[in-house]
Amino acid sequence: QAVLTQPSSLSASPGASASLTCTLRSDINVGTCWIYWYQQKPGSPPQYLLRYKSDSENQQGSGVPSRFSGSKDASANAGILLISGLQSEDEADYYCLIWHSAWVFGGGTKLTVL
Amino acid sequence: EVQLLESGGVLVQPGESLRLSCAASGFTFSNYAMSWVRQAPGQAPDWVSAISGSGGTTYYADSVKGRFTISRDNSKNTLYVQMNSLRVEDTAVYYCATSEEIRGGGHYGMDVWGQGTTVTVS
Repeated sequence: QAVLTQPSSLSASPGASASLTCTLRSDINVGTCWIYWYQQKPGSPPQYLLRYKSDSENQQGSGVPSRFSGSKDASANAGILLISGLQSEDEADYYCLIWHSAWVFGGGTKLTVL
Repeated sequence: EVQLLESGGVLVQPGESLRLSCAASGFTFSNYAMSWVRQAPGQAPDWVSAISGSGGTTYYADSVKGRFTISRDNSKNTLYVQMNSLRVEDTAVYYCATSEEIRGGGHYGMDVWGQGTTVTVS
């Protein structure tokens, strides 16, 4: 079982909200992890969006709009990236990252805004 | 402005060696851990290696341990990775990235990324 599992794709409408999930393998407790989120557009390197551990421990990347926020769903053992007020420019691949004896990326979610 | 410029990517044959460089500017280089992350076409990023700001602590992915060596020259604001015994599966764009160090040890995840350099093993 992969350390991190992300849905391969997600579609949402402009102006709506999108919730991207990053599910941790069952032996890893999401409550103890920093979850990092990155956005990548074609031909560009990944861009750091934010890191989230709790509501009191989190950091927004430099210049990243507040429309991007992090949270966790402990019952699902998952990290969540919430994007509100979707814009066409948000169409991209999104990756999560954790430290689990090594840095591990999720497989990514392709977000389509249509 | 933080800038990272990778170089050294070329086409090599399996079994050959290569050294990549990452020239940093716009920040106090020695205050930050640095990472190499690679990405094969159409795939998710894949972390390769990291090094503390002082250079005293290094970390490697199992897939490259024993073959790759990360290093840095803080006097030259440059990060390196020496890649030996290259394999076809090492083919990827290689990015360097900064990481904020954690007081007491370790570092956070990657923050600023360079544009990458392409390594092809074939």
